[in-house]
Amino acid sequence: QKEVEQNSGPLSVPEGAIASLNCTYSDRGSQSFFWYRQYSGKSPELIMFIYSNGDKEDGRFTAQLNKASQYVSLLIRDSQPSDSVTYLCAVNSGGYQKVTFGTGTKLQVIP
Amino acid sequence: DTGVSQDPRHKITKRGQNVTFRCDPISEHNRLYWYRQTLGQGPEFLTYFQNEAQLEKSRLLSDRFSAERPKGSFSTLEIQRTEQGDSAMYLCASSPIRGTSTDTQYFGPGTRLTVL
Repeated sequence: QKEVEQNSGPLSVPEGAIASLNCTYSDRGSQSFFWYRQYSGKSPELIMFIYSNGDKEDGRFTAQLNKASQYVSLLIRDSQPSDSVTYLCAVNSGGYQKVTFGTGTKLQVIP
Repeated sequence: DTGVSQDPRHKITKRGQNVTFRCDPISEHNRLYWYRQTLGQGPEFLTYFQNEAQLEKSRLLSDRFSAERPKGSFSTLEIQRTEQGDSAMYLCASSPIRGTSTDTQYFGPGTRLTVL
């Protein structure tokens, strides 16, 4: 079982819809959770982080964390074609600073 | 520009040659990380420094790989006797040691290595 799992996609949503990206993790001791986006050939860019169960909103983005079910999700409201990139989920299991990344979900927003 | 910088951005080398990459973290960040990323995969952790101390190394980091951060500022990653399987994007990231998000890592632009 991979430590951090994401569906590679592509996930296709129409413009203006809500895109829902999901991530599950295996280590119950995980403390911190991150979403990055990555344009092709570029490095990851931090979107947001979440530490506590529940929702955290930042503009059009909402991160949701459920530690009991070991999943974290990213919702993108009013999806735009410019949101069509790969989204990486990353998890820090604590103790030391190693962050484990998923393989990423490619999002396609259809105009 | 106060972000993480990496040099060079691209490197093409022949198999068997040695290469060295440099990373300059965000100035107030004490923690520095190296990752490797291949096509279709997420970044894979290689090693982690806090100040000048190398505190964690992945099993991915074979004996041909060495990383240093001699003065706790910039870091270098050297690959000796490169192999074609070393072709990847090498990413550096840094994070602060104080504040509310001390494990939030900010990435540099990466160095793309191609081994012929």
